[in-house]
Amino acid sequence: QVQLVESGGGVVQPGKSLRLSCAASGFMFTNYGMHWVRQAPGKGLEWVAVIWYDGSNKYYADSVKGRFTISRDNSKNMLYLQINSLRAEDTAVYYCAREGQGFCFSTSCTAYFDYWGQGTLVTVSS
Amino acid sequence: EIVLTQSPGTLSLSPGERATLSCRASQSVSSSYLAWYQQKPGQAPRLLIYGASSRATGIPDRFSGSGSGTDFTLTISRLEPEDFAVYYCQQYGSAPLTFGGGTKVEIK
Repeated sequence: QVQLVESGGGVVQPGKSLRLSCAASGFMFTNYGMHWVRQAPGKGLEWVAVIWYDGSNKYYADSVKGRFTISRDNSKNMLYLQINSLRAEDTAVYYCAREGQGFCFSTSCTAYFDYWGQGTLVTVSS
Repeated sequence: EIVLTQSPGTLSLSPGERATLSCRASQSVSSSYLAWYQQKPGQAPRLLIYGASSRATGIPDRFSGSGSGTDFTLTISRLEPEDFAVYYCQQYGSAPLTFGGGTKVEIK
């Protein structure tokens, strides 16, 4: 069965960095684009970033561009999100999600998400 | 960017009743590329509907989606106790993909 397991969250001071990981299993990881979606406490869902199945293309939400970096290691079935210069507004549960079907446009790629991890909480606080 | 507005914000119903949730887009959603998710407290979202009306794998047929253009609806024909949750719509027909603010279906 498809499993996505995030890790790496925690309490971090503003301005610091953090790397989130997502371990994938139960499907052919190399065939799928993967995304990060976040949810601030008590709030709705916000798309963060996408990486193509082979890692050749990456797109980001404007709110995180320049600070977040998505990457993947297909040999290990792992997805990552490097978060730099953390801000209070980055406090959220971060989910990795698998594309059910993806589409690409000139500025970014979109998809709906058929599987989600359980999420990892990032709290930015001094 | 397409803004999705969900209404009502909260829906108070009893088990066995019919739930009708609305998702309105600020622009037409291309090819009806609209999905619905269910989220329970402390859990990840779960895909219910994609392509506006196609049920995801394992989703009971009491869940149905409809609509096109700018107006979409999620209907739960008869609410089961496990259906009380927050529901989000999401468009993926244009970039960036966006989510609605959610509708909470609570027990009356």
